[in-house]
Amino acid sequence: DAGITQSPRHKVTETGTPVTLRCHQTENHRYMYWYRQDPGHGLRLIHYSYGVKDTDKGEVSDGYSVSRSKTEDFLLTLESATSSQTSVYFCAISVTGADEQYFGPGTRLTVT
Amino acid sequence: KNQVEQSPQSLIILEGKNCTLQCNYTVSPFSNLRWYKQDTGRGPVSLTIMTFSENTKSNGRYTATLDADTKQSSLHITASQLSDSASYICVVREAGTALIFGKGTTLSVSS
Repeated sequence: DAGITQSPRHKVTETGTPVTLRCHQTENHRYMYWYRQDPGHGLRLIHYSYGVKDTDKGEVSDGYSVSRSKTEDFLLTLESATSSQTSVYFCAISVTGADEQYFGPGTRLTVT
Repeated sequence: KNQVEQSPQSLIILEGKNCTLQCNYTVSPFSNLRWYKQDTGRGPVSLTIMTFSENTKSNGRYTATLDADTKQSSLHITASQLSDSASYICVVREAGTALIFGKGTTLSVSS
């Protein structure tokens, strides 16, 4: 998985609780991305980062926030989790914003 | 609206047989098209990438084709193996940076 780790790999949480997912890379790539994958949908971009403290919204950003204080770490936070945020979350990295994206192993989040 | 449609949704074949997966897209302006393989419980991994001027590209037993005029691509798998069981995702890059993902085709190879 191209030097990308995600933690936790599995999490069950209750509606209304805050949740933070972590993506860590050892490749020193500039770009990092958070996607969610749901049955019946293709991967959908939540947020992405093009450098330390530089982030932007993706297609499905409502209810999510991100932070990147170091090149190697990109955090995804659900301020108040809802059942609609039950999904598999993938982190990806790329050197530029136009080249291949390498994906992490995913985090399966269940909101009850 | 930019879209990527894949067919079939799922496919079951016997080990050793060939198969072809389809991808139709409406993304414009087009930059490139990539096929990813996603094993169960893992992240997608790139198989091939094709730009506007490329018609065919191979990666071992995987051969991708692209017809930019009709906006169609296919992924042909030769002499399938059990390890080919996975989801195959077609991804089109819109000129700029946006990626448009298809929903994937789930391939099951049985012995």
